[in-house]
Amino acid sequence: GDSVTQMEGPVTLSEEAFLTINCTYTATGYPSLFWYVQYPGEGLQLLLKATKADDKGSNKGFEATYRKETTSFHLEKGSVQVSDSAVYFCALSDRGNQGGKLIFGQGTELSVKP
Amino acid sequence: DGGITQSPKYLFRKEGQNVTLSCEQNLNHDAMYWYRQDPGQGLRLIYYSQIVNDFQKGDIAEGYSVSREKKESFPLTVTSAQKNPTAFYLCASSIGTGRDEQFFGPGTRLTVL
Repeated sequence: GDSVTQMEGPVTLSEEAFLTINCTYTATGYPSLFWYVQYPGEGLQLLLKATKADDKGSNKGFEATYRKETTSFHLEKGSVQVSDSAVYFCALSDRGNQGGKLIFGQGTELSVKP
Repeated sequence: DGGITQSPKYLFRKEGQNVTLSCEQNLNHDAMYWYRQDPGQGLRLIYYSQIVNDFQKGDIAEGYSVSREKKESFPLTVTSAQKNPTAFYLCASSIGTGRDEQFFGPGTRLTVL
């Protein structure tokens, strides 16, 4: 079945450092790909998305490119801030798969130090 | 403001009790979902509904029940048959059931005493 694998955390960075969180997926169809962010005790917020190969999603300085050839959707940010500390989830949604349910990776905790 | 609300934020249950978690959305979305989150893990689908008066089991439906009598409401009941109900429960909605993004509520943390 479809699945998402993302790099294990926690990831600890200094402020203004470059961030990469790796995400790879397995899917039988042509999924949409998403990055969600979760702050402590809260629900998930959509960070960015891409719906087809070579699409680049971007938001708040974060970027990810849908790479079909490598089945990847790595999250990047050029300069992280303390306020970016959160848990980041990579997810996919495939039409016809249980109502378009989201399949999540296990999450990567990011901690940014001043 | 459009969005999804969940209540209560915290819920404590004694063993053997059924409890109901509320989820309401005013986004006019057709599809609604319930996910369960356990510490250090991703989310897993409990139930979903693509339209009013219809719902389907997800990957971990045992011990849970839902209803969808109104478009904006999708309550989840955690029954006494759920063996390990302590978790964070998240409700979500989307415009359709293709490959659309889902919008999440703030969650309900359920603890069994």
